[in-house]
Amino acid sequence: NAGVTQTPKFQVLKTGQSMTLQCAQDMNHEYMSWYRQDPGMGLRLIHYSVGAGITDQGEVPNGYNVSRSTTEDFPLRLLSAAPSQTSVYFCASSYYLRGHSYEQYFGPGTRLTVT
Amino acid sequence: AQKITQTQPGMFVQEKEAVTLDCTYDTSDPSYGLFWYKQPSSGEMIFLIYQGSYDQQNATEGRYSLNFQKARKSANLVISASQLGDSAMYFCAMRELNSGGSNYKLTFGKGTLLTVNP
Repeated sequence: NAGVTQTPKFQVLKTGQSMTLQCAQDMNHEYMSWYRQDPGMGLRLIHYSVGAGITDQGEVPNGYNVSRSTTEDFPLRLLSAAPSQTSVYFCASSYYLRGHSYEQYFGPGTRLTVT
Repeated sequence: AQKITQTQPGMFVQEKEAVTLDCTYDTSDPSYGLFWYKQPSSGEMIFLIYQGSYDQQNATEGRYSLNFQKARKSANLVISASQLGDSAMYFCAMRELNSGGSNYKLTFGKGTLLTVNP
């Protein structure tokens, strides 16, 4: 299994440009999510999906769109990049573990800089 | 109010000694899970240990143990016999399991940077 993969690893955008961060998992996990990590802020949830065709907003959804057409893929779209979106983006997927937990597997991250 | 609080921005420990990283949480949900993740300088997020709110015993995974004090709402990570490779950022996170459709998401603390000295 490749686990959770993300592309690209690094990206530089100009203000106003749009792009899509790709995320894929091959573990047949029903749940996938996107987080951003900023210095001193920990990880914050952007959007998540509990299955194909179902998405919902997290803590910081503004400026981002998602869709989930398949179980495997969960792309994150930046509609019009802003310098405030400079961050490291992590995709994660989850399965059901034991009675109560949902261990999340994280991708390697995408470091995005918006100039 | 913050749901997860990690009060130690940075910690230092000598190699082979034990270290405790603090985590307190805030929830009114009786059913929740607590996680610890390690993030080395390479950037990946590595799952370390999990504690469920109804678990009777403290979780252990190798050199990692979770000191779970439910009444105090604390879930401290204990690393025994520290190694140089333990130098990393450590994040505490919580999942509230009765929050309906959002019960998959994790809320993270701001992290503690651990440095292990030789």
